[in-house]
Amino acid sequence: KQEVTQIPAALSVPEGENLVLNCSFTDSAIYNLQWFRQDPGKGLTSLLLIQSSQREQTSGRLNASLDKSSGRSTLYIAASQPGDSATYLCAGEGDSWGKLQFGAGTQVVVTP
Amino acid sequence: ETGVTQSPTHLIKTRGQQVTLRCSSQSGHNTVSWYQQALGQGPQFIFQYYREEENGRGNFPPRFSGLQFPNYSSELNVNALELDDSALYLCASGANVLTFGAGSRLTVL
Repeated sequence: KQEVTQIPAALSVPEGENLVLNCSFTDSAIYNLQWFRQDPGKGLTSLLLIQSSQREQTSGRLNASLDKSSGRSTLYIAASQPGDSATYLCAGEGDSWGKLQFGAGTQVVVTP
Repeated sequence: ETGVTQSPTHLIKTRGQQVTLRCSSQSGHNTVSWYQQALGQGPQFIFQYYREEENGRGNFPPRFSGLQFPNYSSELNVNALELDDSALYLCASGANVLTFGAGSRLTVL
């Protein structure tokens, strides 16, 4: 059974610092790896999708890498802003599309 | 606006009651998934519907059931509610890149 772990559980940084969020998974037979953002009381917003054949994806200030052999993915957020404050979740997808195994998330606070 | 609408946004039930949660997608995608997110945890997969048929189920008991309609809207039904069913229930449309709704927060007293 796939297990996804996110460390740290919470993180507070001053505005302008770079953020590094870690995600580890137990089953290297992962197909896709997605990163989501969740604001309080809201649903999930997809940030980046790394497909099986890819090693990283970039969107603006966000970059996510995937190393299936070590069972790790990392989300980098450059030059953090207070608006980046949210919970960030990673999720692995196996051979069933739409069936995601989520980590518990990292709660990020960026202080002005 | 995510394109996936869930109702109701909040509701309170008592133990033993039944609840129906609803989900609709503007895109009309033929695949919908439901997730349960307990406080402080990541979402857990309940089940998925594809073209009105259940297409995969997580580790949830049979009292969690669903429907998908010809217009691809969907319902999640939970019978005999328990206190541990208190959670945010999320609906997601799509099969590769999922679009999530804002969720229905259920409190069971």
